Amino acid sequence: DTAVSQTPKYLVTQMGNDKSIKCEQNLGHDTMYWYKQDSKKFLKIMFSYNNKELIINETVPNRFSPKSPDKAHLNLHINSLELGDSAVYFCASKKQGESSPLHFGNGTRLTVT
Amino acid sequence: QQQVKQSPQSLIVQKGGISIINCAYENTAFDYFPWYQQFPGKGPALLIAIRPDVSEKKEGRFTISFNKSAKQFSLHIMDSQPGDSATYFCAASIPSGTYKYIFGTGTRLKVLA
Repeated sequence: DTAVSQTPKYLVTQMGNDKSIKCEQNLGHDTMYWYKQDSKKFLKIMFSYNNKELIINETVPNRFSPKSPDKAHLNLHINSLELGDSAVYFCASKKQGESSPLHFGNGTRLTVT
Repeated sequence: QQQVKQSPQSLIVQKGGISIINCAYENTAFDYFPWYQQFPGKGPALLIAIRPDVSEKKEGRFTISFNKSAKQFSLHIMDSQPGDSATYFCAASIPSGTYKYIFGTGTRLKVLA
């Protein structure tokens, strides 16, 4: 059983297109995150949701819009894709209200051409 | 204040040797310090974690040493194996309502057979 699953694993698209990445976790966690990992492997937080409520929004362009239909799902929609959006996007989750481990998905490699 | 500085950027160790990765932080409010291991094509996975009331934690070949006064912590991998070759990230958690995790810049470890 995959704890945090992301789809698709690979996404190749052209500049200007709109795309979505889906994330689901079956760990019963209340808090979910989107992280971006660039070509140098830097992990940068983008968004965090707790019980479907946005709690972290880290100066991400408003072309990126997260949506949490329920606490087990956190999707990421990206409008008007740019070359600089090429990266690996990781979804993660953790238990609410305590410093505890993040559980990551295996990432979505987005390539914008 | 919210940075976690990690070194070295890359590390090559002979099989059976000791791998040491260091991290330093500024924000004394951090209360949880995990280390993550990432293999190519996978998401980061929790390796070992420590809280600031403990100076050392050992799990198998992996040990975290924590120096609260110096605001530094390090990962030691004893008897390093080729299978340990991966990217390692230190992280620190902010105990606010957002439970934000700040990651170090990563260390690419290669263990030579």
